[in-house]
Amino acid sequence: SQQGEEDPQALSIQEGENATMNCSYKTSINNLQWYRQNSGRGLVHLILIRSNEREKHSGRLRVTLDTSKKSSSLLITASRAADTASYFCATTDSWGKLQFGAGTQVVVTP
Amino acid sequence: DAGVIQSPRHEVTEMGQEVTLRCKPISGHDYLFWYRQTMMRGLELLIYFNNNVPIDDSGMPEDRFSAKMPNASFSTLKIQPSEPRDSAVYFCASSLYGQPQHFGDGTRLSIL
Repeated sequence: SQQGEEDPQALSIQEGENATMNCSYKTSINNLQWYRQNSGRGLVHLILIRSNEREKHSGRLRVTLDTSKKSSSLLITASRAADTASYFCATTDSWGKLQFGAGTQVVVTP
Repeated sequence: DAGVIQSPRHEVTEMGQEVTLRCKPISGHDYLFWYRQTMMRGLELLIYFNNNVPIDDSGMPEDRFSAKMPNASFSTLKIQPSEPRDSAVYFCASSLYGQPQHFGDGTRLSIL
């Protein structure tokens, strides 16, 4: 069963707009990670946020984590056509196992 | 710096045939993971190894699936006999403990 559930399932925006997607999970975690998957390729790690952190930035990415609500959000600012991909959240348990959500499919049109 | 290398990229075979998927992890990584991705079930962890030893194979769907890691630079996932419902994209990933996983580009498997 999937630990993380992303919302929305799909998102269509124009270049320059911001894209926000959310992830909810069920059990306690060590950290939460976001990955991107381009069509026909493997997943690429974007950012990791630890359970004792509330917010993290990396370039145009901003991730928040609310452990009381068991939720996280990924914000991509000033989106580009190259950001078109599926985005997955993944939670890590104490054994280091990742459990992935179903993903959010993002389409950025020029 | 080579990433995780999987072969073949595509495999089409008939039901009942044996299928072997191969993975070369990133040198120095001590964890290796096999995943399966389908539209219906998303990304599922099948099995993972630490220092070549299988740690958790609870995600392996049934006895037709087996995985080995004879050394630190090579792993195989075998399906025998294959069935149409095994059609999926199979990913291998490697990492150091507590670090993000690095994924290969997957093997797209079609069982006819």
